[in-house]
Amino acid sequence: EIVLTQSPGTLSLSPGERATLSCRASQSVSSSYLAWYQQKPGQAPRLLIYAASSRATGIPDRFSGSGSGTDFTLTISRLEPEDFAVYYCQQYGSSMYTFGQGTKLEIK
Amino acid sequence: QVQLQESGPGLVKPSETLSLTCTVSGGSISSYYWSWIRQPPGKGLEWIGYIYYSGSTNYIPSLKSRVTISVDTSKNQFSLKLSSVTAADTAVYYCARGERYFYYMDVWGKGTTVTVSS
Repeated sequence: EIVLTQSPGTLSLSPGERATLSCRASQSVSSSYLAWYQQKPGQAPRLLIYAASSRATGIPDRFSGSGSGTDFTLTISRLEPEDFAVYYCQQYGSSMYTFGQGTKLEIK
Repeated sequence: QVQLQESGPGLVKPSETLSLTCTVSGGSISSYYWSWIRQPPGKGLEWIGYIYYSGSTNYIPSLKSRVTISVDTSKNQFSLKLSSVTAADTAVYYCARGERYFYYMDVWGKGTTVTVSS
């Protein structure tokens, strides 16, 4: 089973700043099967990025994804107030999904 | 626009079986993977398993002995059964649609809270 480790656990930033979130896999992951989600309190997760770097429908271009192999990054170029939430990476491999433990992005 | 809605009891007694149904509206259940994911209070997301519309399934190994996911294409529904529940199974349970080429989950239900307690 592939384990995804996200860092940092909590990221404190101000609106307008740039956020960089990391997702590291315990073994190589196909870029095609790496996704990122945003979850706000009391809501279901929302797909942001799939195939490591493709934005989902309706996702603003301030969100971008990159990476390959075992290291993947979600970048939010200029934080808006509505971007403060928990972010999860997810991979699919060996016929199963795994999620990272999440990064909480909070207002500084 | 495809929407998913979870339904089922919000309270289940220990050792009993948790049963939930996800109804798919606004689209067909065909050609996608359909997953159940849970989130214990204050914790992260845990994928439980999925069913392909044709009926093939895969489950997380840690729950495989207790989980059954089934599909009813005539009703556009799929279901989760989790047996021998304990307090550790208390969580918000989500159903989600999985895309079959890149395997991302692009449509989610709002989630339903299930509490295991006597």
